[in-house]
Amino acid sequence: NAGVTQTPKFQVLKTGQSMTLQCAQDMNHEYMSWYRQDPGMGLRLIHYSVGAGITDQGEVPNGYNVSRSTTEDFPLRLLSAAPSQTSVYFCASTTPGQSNYGYTFGSGTRLTVV
Amino acid sequence: AQSVTQLDSHVSVSEGTPVLLRCNYSSSYSPSLFWYVQHPNKGLQLLLKYTSAATLVKGINGFEAEFKKSETSFHLTKPSAHMSDAAEYFCVVSDRLNQGGKLIFGQGTELSVKP
Repeated sequence: NAGVTQTPKFQVLKTGQSMTLQCAQDMNHEYMSWYRQDPGMGLRLIHYSVGAGITDQGEVPNGYNVSRSTTEDFPLRLLSAAPSQTSVYFCASTTPGQSNYGYTFGSGTRLTVV
Repeated sequence: AQSVTQLDSHVSVSEGTPVLLRCNYSSSYSPSLFWYVQHPNKGLQLLLKYTSAATLVKGINGFEAEFKKSETSFHLTKPSAHMSDAAEYFCVVSDRLNQGGKLIFGQGTELSVKP
């Protein structure tokens, strides 16, 4: 089915380890973004991209890197995991023409850093 | 700058009674406004959206919201709560120019429905 696919669904990391959260969409959406969800804080924007080769920082970018080599994929890299990065991560996509009409979200990745 | 404030972190209602979840926003531009719902351990589902058409917006599952520019509000209502409505609800704003698909989320309101 068409949509936004996030992998893995669950991950446990040790402090200092690195990893990549994967996000892929098959709807040819230009806009993609990463959010983290923490209790009582809603979702906060980490990084976003308006197209292949173009990325920018959101509200909470520290400790995360992104790249956008293709329209379909937008991976999120944790360079050196910290307990403060324990969270649920969501990837979302839309197009400029549809962005006022709703976004498609992935099912999330639950990350625990110990 | 844009921001969203959900005025209640938790709302509890009895099944069959009305639901009101309050949301105020701040936006430098004409906003697009959304309500999303998240059931426990699930992803986010779009309930409804306002994009400058009718100010009273109808969504799925009997929910609706009214855009009031003078009050900068976008409250979510439902005439009669159902047990399946128990979830967390997020009010979300995006400016009409939609700078790169950025969404600003409120802190969320947890809705409990008592039998």
